[in-house]
Amino acid sequence: GEDVEQSLFLSVREGDSSVINCTYTDSSSTYLYWYKQEPGAGLQLLTYIFSNMDMKQDQRLTVLLNKKDKHLSLRIADTQTGDSAIYFCAESKGNYGGSQGNLIFGKGTKLSVKP
Amino acid sequence: NAGVTQTPKFQVLKTGQSMTLQCAQDMNHNSMYWYRQDPGMGLRLIYYSASEGTTDKGEVPNGYNVSRLNKREFSLRLESAAPSQTSVYFCASSEGARGLRISYEQYFGPGTRLTVT
Repeated sequence: GEDVEQSLFLSVREGDSSVINCTYTDSSSTYLYWYKQEPGAGLQLLTYIFSNMDMKQDQRLTVLLNKKDKHLSLRIADTQTGDSAIYFCAESKGNYGGSQGNLIFGKGTKLSVKP
Repeated sequence: NAGVTQTPKFQVLKTGQSMTLQCAQDMNHNSMYWYRQDPGMGLRLIYYSASEGTTDKGEVPNGYNVSRLNKREFSLRLESAAPSQTSVYFCASSEGARGLRISYEQYFGPGTRLTVT
């Protein structure tokens, strides 16, 4: 199938690290993405990783990619209450209905950060 | 740059009414998308336009039509609204294919919250 799977909820304490996991299906996906959605807002691109990389770090964010297992994770260090949001994983789909450039999104993981 | 803008922000319709959701982007992107977001369902692609002059169905096109008016604008029309179309609608754009390169990252508008009674 074409599903991108994520757990639906994650709860952490302020200051801890958060790890959000995702599994994808298409081994030919070129790029994998993490988006953040705050309440009442659209999706905001957080970071992405090219499929020939294992890891990408960007300030408090670390993305790990295990291409063999088709597993992607997003680690947020020193999680703050402002990180509370829904996080979506997405894989690029080379050809979707004959066109290029589309993304397949997971259902999102709701991260709750408790003070 | 405003990025991706959507109008209206909120709308309430009665069953059977029609309306058009507007979307515009100022990033000179080739590709544009319409999604709906429902609780527990994530984002589902309704229609997309890979480039000006083309449109294609996504995962859930029934009950909708689209128009790629020009490179900037991509509208979504509900001809006869049904309660099942109560949702949050997002428009997005991406650079798409440019020469030999494809850029996949999508940029989203703030959404239109539609209720059909």
